[in-house]
Amino acid sequence: QVQLVQSGAEVKKPGASVRVSCKASGYTFNDYYIHWVRLAPGQGLEWVGWINPNSGGTNYAQNFQGRVTMTWDTSINTAYMELSGLKSDDTAVFYCARDWGSFGGSFPFHPWGQGTLVTVSS
Amino acid sequence: DIVMTQSPDSLAVSLGERATINCKSSQNLFYSSYNKNYLAWYQLKPGQPPKLLIYWASTREFGVPDRFSGSGSGTDFTLTISGLQAEDVAVYYCQQYYSTPPHTFGQGTKLEI
Repeated sequence: QVQLVQSGAEVKKPGASVRVSCKASGYTFNDYYIHWVRLAPGQGLEWVGWINPNSGGTNYAQNFQGRVTMTWDTSINTAYMELSGLKSDDTAVFYCARDWGSFGGSFPFHPWGQGTLVTVSS
Repeated sequence: DIVMTQSPDSLAVSLGERATINCKSSQNLFYSSYNKNYLAWYQLKPGQPPKLLIYWASTREFGVPDRFSGSGSGTDFTLTISGLQAEDVAVYYCQQYYSTPPHTFGQGTKLEI
């Protein structure tokens, strides 16, 4: 079945960077955009950006531009999100999620990875 | 950017009763060329990832119980849960995918028994 499995929890100091991975299985990796979404404590879901594994094209939310980099490795069906310049209010669960439909276009997100907790603390 | 506003922020409903959650978009989400509303609903439970419940405003995702239903068009949408069960306690989010990026979510509605 289609599945996204993320890397484990991370604890980082302010100013550091974190890289979260998202390994896909059960479908053709290149055919679907991968999105990243943040859920901070007491907050709602916030879209971080997407990557097109077919072309490597990316698009980042304005709140994260300059701090986020999304990459991919087709050979191991894995997408990555790196967030730099971490601040305490970056403490959150980060999810990867696949487009419901293929080859771009406008779709909801399904399925989702299990989430990765990133804790930023001195 | 399209702003999504949900109401109420939280609600308490008795077991077996009906829960209604509203979502209002700052722009029209109906794409006439495809006759579809680009609106989805998700369920988020503690320790679990969001789960897609409804897409195209009213189409249930495979495996979602039929007590969950979506309605509305244009800028006003509703998620209805009929015959509330204890396992339905969660935070529910609407999301627009009509005009992206960015993909925008409502602020969430916390449903309690």
